[in-house]
Amino acid sequence: DGGITQSPKYLFRKEGQNVTLSCEQNLNHDAMYWYRQDPGQGLRLIYYSQIVNDFQKGDIAEGYSVSREKKESFPLTVTSAQKNPTAFYLCASLPGQDPRGGELFFGEGSRLTVL
Amino acid sequence: AQTVTQSQPEMSVQEAETVTLSCTYDTSESDYYLFWYKQPPSRQMILVIRQEAYKQQNATENRFSVNFQKAAKSFSLKISDSQLGDAAMYFCAFTGANSKLTFGKGITLSVRP
Repeated sequence: DGGITQSPKYLFRKEGQNVTLSCEQNLNHDAMYWYRQDPGQGLRLIYYSQIVNDFQKGDIAEGYSVSREKKESFPLTVTSAQKNPTAFYLCASLPGQDPRGGELFFGEGSRLTVL
Repeated sequence: AQTVTQSQPEMSVQEAETVTLSCTYDTSESDYYLFWYKQPPSRQMILVIRQEAYKQQNATENRFSVNFQKAAKSFSLKISDSQLGDAAMYFCAFTGANSKLTFGKGITLSVRP
């Protein structure tokens, strides 16, 4: 079945370590997104990409990095520069390069805990 | 910058009753889209309903309907005949010319049997 796969579902890391969250989609969608979800904060946009080899910063990009080398893949790296990385991370995708009005398809999320 | 405000953190409804979830937004744009997304305990977000700003008719999807008041910048979700499966967190969201989807903080809806 088509969908978005995020891995791992749960991840623990020590302070000072970088960690990469995987996001793969087989929906043939052009646009992909990373959101961070914290209790009482809703979803906040980290990075998004509307086409391969191009991506833009969202509202809270500091301490994160991404790449978009393939249409189906949009990994997120949480670097040691991210001051408060413990959160739930959601990846999403949209058909077309102009996402206005389109339905976002979400993965099941990754829970990152920094020890 | 656009903002989306959901002022009620929690609501509760009796099964089979109707509940309305509130959302307001702020934008200077005239052409935009509004959405309600549902996040059940499984955490998988799904689209409930969407509204195009230039359409005056309120969107409906089965038991879900919206009350879109463009002048007041209000976009509330009405759930009729509430079911236990409606228990979830609901997010209001906005997208405008910059194509970035902005979410509200969400509201947790519980359904009493």
